Amino acid sequence: QVQMVESGGSVVQPGGSQRLSCAASGFPFSRVTMHWVRQAPGKGLDWVAAISRDGDRKFYARSVEGRFTISRDNSDYSLFLQMNGLRPDDTAIYYCVKEILGTGYLDFWGQGALVTVSS
Amino acid sequence: DIVLTQSPATLSLSPGESATLSCRASQSVSSSLAWYQQRPGQPPRLLIYDASNRAAGIPARFSGSGSGTDFSLTISSLEPEDSAIYYCQQRKSWPPWTFGQGTTVELK
Repeated sequence: QVQMVESGGSVVQPGGSQRLSCAASGFPFSRVTMHWVRQAPGKGLDWVAAISRDGDRKFYARSVEGRFTISRDNSDYSLFLQMNGLRPDDTAIYYCVKEILGTGYLDFWGQGALVTVSS
Repeated sequence: DIVLTQSPATLSLSPGESATLSCRASQSVSSSLAWYQQRPGQPPRLLIYDASNRAAGIPARFSGSGSGTDFSLTISSLEPEDSAIYYCQQRKSWPPWTFGQGTTVELK
């Protein structure tokens, strides 16, 4: 069955860096666009970044552009989010999310990784 | 960016009643709208896509309607497990893919 497992969540100091990973399985990973969506404690859903199936096109929310980098390794069924210059308002659960092929709808979500930015 | 505004913020209903949730877009998204359910402590789950199509495994008591700027999610005959936050999302104009702020459905 479809599964996404995020890892790398931790407590990070303001200005620090963190890399999230997502191990995917159960579907043709190289054929689908993948996303990161975050949720601050007690808040709503906030789209962060997306990467095309071949990794050539990357899209970012304005709030993270220039600080975060999304990437993928199709040979290893893995998705990554490199986060630099972290700020307290980046504190959130970060979900790895699969898009239904070519649709922009998000049909499978991982359980999420908690990133806390605090001194 | 397309802004999605959901109403009401909270619905408090009894089991067996029906719930109608609203999502209004700041500009037309045609039928390019989805609804998600998020139960406490869980990731979101896709319920509806293209405004009115149920995702795989979603019970028939969930239905979506609307087009353009005004959309509704109806949950008929509420069950206790329907207590959750419901979000709408548009995929018409991206990036960014945007979400509404959510509607909480509470069962009495």
